[in-house]
Amino acid sequence: QKEVEQNSGPLSVPEGAIASLNCTYSDRGSQSFFWYRQYSGKSPELIMSIYSNGDKEDGRFTAQLNKASQYVSLLIRDSQPSDSATYLCAVRSTDKLIFGTGTRLQVFP
Amino acid sequence: ETGVTQTPRHLVMGMTNKKSLKCEQHLGHNAMYWYKQSAKKPLELMFVYSLEERVENNSVPSRFSPECPNSSHLFLHLHTLQPEDSALYLCASSPLGDEKLFFGSGTQLSVL
Repeated sequence: QKEVEQNSGPLSVPEGAIASLNCTYSDRGSQSFFWYRQYSGKSPELIMSIYSNGDKEDGRFTAQLNKASQYVSLLIRDSQPSDSATYLCAVRSTDKLIFGTGTRLQVFP
Repeated sequence: ETGVTQTPRHLVMGMTNKKSLKCEQHLGHNAMYWYKQSAKKPLELMFVYSLEERVENNSVPSRFSPECPNSSHLFLHLHTLQPEDSALYLCASSPLGDEKLFFGSGTQLSVL
């Protein structure tokens, strides 16, 4: 059973801090990795994709991929209360996109 | 405003009812998906349509019946559901061969 694991949280960080969200996956052959943000009562929204080892930055968001260790991370710099949401990690494994259960992030003022 | 529209937003049905969920995408995509999201569980892929042909049926019970009449519309027909089928049902679309999904707002389904 190919899996994607995330800590369910909540992860609580103060406004302005860096939030670090982590995800591990079991299929070593996975090639594509995604982070979706889901506000309460809303649908998931793609915020980052990463395909090769290293860091990928987009505004306040940085995705980090380490295929040897089979983990992918999302860093949110200068966290804002509006970043409070559940963050879903998704991994392309063979021909399927497998989601984690998500990590709930709370950013408090 | 999302490019993927789902109706209804909320649905309450009895176990003997028949209802349908509707999804429409305005993004010009050629692949459409049904996902189920239950509390504390990962998103579960139910069905995939590519160019209006079903390419994936992820061991979903026959009480769920999808229909894709064209590349812009997707339906999920429901009959004789069980209380454990209560969940958020999400439609998504993507360009053909692209893994990035665009989700609709979902239908929150309650089966009594």
